[in-house]
Amino acid sequence: GNSVTQMEGPVTLSEEAFLTINCTYTATGYPSLFWYVQYPGEGLQLLLKATKADDKGSNKGFEATYRKETTSFHLEKGSVQVSDSAVYFCALSNNQGGKLIFGQGTELSVKP
Amino acid sequence: ETGVTQTPRHLVMGMTNKKSLKCEQHLGHNAMYWYKQSAKKPLELMFVYSLEERVENNSVPSRFSPECPNSSHLFLHLHTLQPEDSALYLCASSQDSGVSSTDTQYFGPGTRLTVL
Repeated sequence: GNSVTQMEGPVTLSEEAFLTINCTYTATGYPSLFWYVQYPGEGLQLLLKATKADDKGSNKGFEATYRKETTSFHLEKGSVQVSDSAVYFCALSNNQGGKLIFGQGTELSVKP
Repeated sequence: ETGVTQTPRHLVMGMTNKKSLKCEQHLGHNAMYWYKQSAKKPLELMFVYSLEERVENNSVPSRFSPECPNSSHLFLHLHTLQPEDSALYLCASSQDSGVSSTDTQYFGPGTRLTVL
């Protein structure tokens, strides 16, 4: 079946530190991969996505590359800000009527 | 602004109450979704509607009853809920939900539900 596994949080970083949040998936075929972000008290917002192998999604300084050989879609940012504090969700969609399969979420806390 | 609105943002209800959650999307999408987000658990898909027809029901108890009167509006009617139903209920929409669809889903801000 389809599944997504994320690194457990919380992740605590100082401002301007480098961020990596690991995400691996299990799926047949060629799923689309997504990162969503949830700021405190809000719903989920699409951060970036990639629809085929070797695609790189990017937005707001965040990047993730679709690696089929390692079934991974790790999220990275070179220099985090306090405003990046949120919960990050990795997800996949795999020809199942638009159904999104989410990871459990990783909480990021950035300290000044 | 994501184009998907939900009301109310917060709701407290007793176990014998009947209430409804409302979702509206202004994106011209054909598919709408209800998700449940509980603490320390992954998001759970509850229902999927495509062109106002229910296409997915993920073994959700009958005390949750969805309604989709048109492609822009989605309701979740609540009746005789349990305290364990307390959660954030998120609505989302996408252009399509066909079998081969991998369309991006756009989420509303959610309704924080507390069942006493």
